[in-house]
Amino acid sequence: NAGVTQTPKFRILKIGQSMTLQCTQDMNHNYMYWYRQDPGMGLKLIYYSVGAGITDKGEVPNGYNVSRSTTEDFPLRLELAAPSQTSVYFCATHGSSYNSPLHFGNGTRLTVT
Amino acid sequence: GENVEQHPSTLSVQEGDSAVIKCTYSDSASNYFPWYKQELGKRPQLIIDIRSNVGEKKDQRIAVTLNKTAKHFSLHITETQPEDSAVYFCAAYKAAGNKLTFGGGTRVLVKP
Repeated sequence: NAGVTQTPKFRILKIGQSMTLQCTQDMNHNYMYWYRQDPGMGLKLIYYSVGAGITDKGEVPNGYNVSRSTTEDFPLRLELAAPSQTSVYFCATHGSSYNSPLHFGNGTRLTVT
Repeated sequence: GENVEQHPSTLSVQEGDSAVIKCTYSDSASNYFPWYKQELGKRPQLIIDIRSNVGEKKDQRIAVTLNKTAKHFSLHITETQPEDSAVYFCAAYKAAGNKLTFGGGTRVLVKP
């Protein structure tokens, strides 16, 4: 039972390049989230999903896209990377109960130069 | 939408002293308030949480209090130890919207 697995752990992109951050969970949870955490800052919600086939924007969705074709996978796509997207990206999931704790992956550290 | 403010942004305490972090939230419909601890270079991890129908909850050296009327909640760490040094985040969850809104974080440094 791995919980939430994120790949890659680190990545350096050049401005304008694209990439997909992978997130897989084996907890059979419907709710999945993508957060970004800038250095020394808090967590900001990018996108979230309440189940397969359903996604919605968070507070900072610009420059990103997501899809949710299965319960397990919730990839985050960066198109035309910009230096402002340099951050640590966390995927997270929780169960159906409103007070179900949020489980985070180990994060992907992305640098755009 | 929900707005969560957290204070202070940094907190330095002597080992053995207590630490208190305060958060306020804006949406009275929020009904679940978790606290996360994030050590340097690691993922946030849940340390304690409280539901809106409870005023206080304690787990060993950590306690959380909630004042629904004033819309604020606090984390109390007693007898602080060096391993308590980390960034702490409060959060507020509202079922309608399925979103957890985080405070800005408090960096706690426990000096030996």
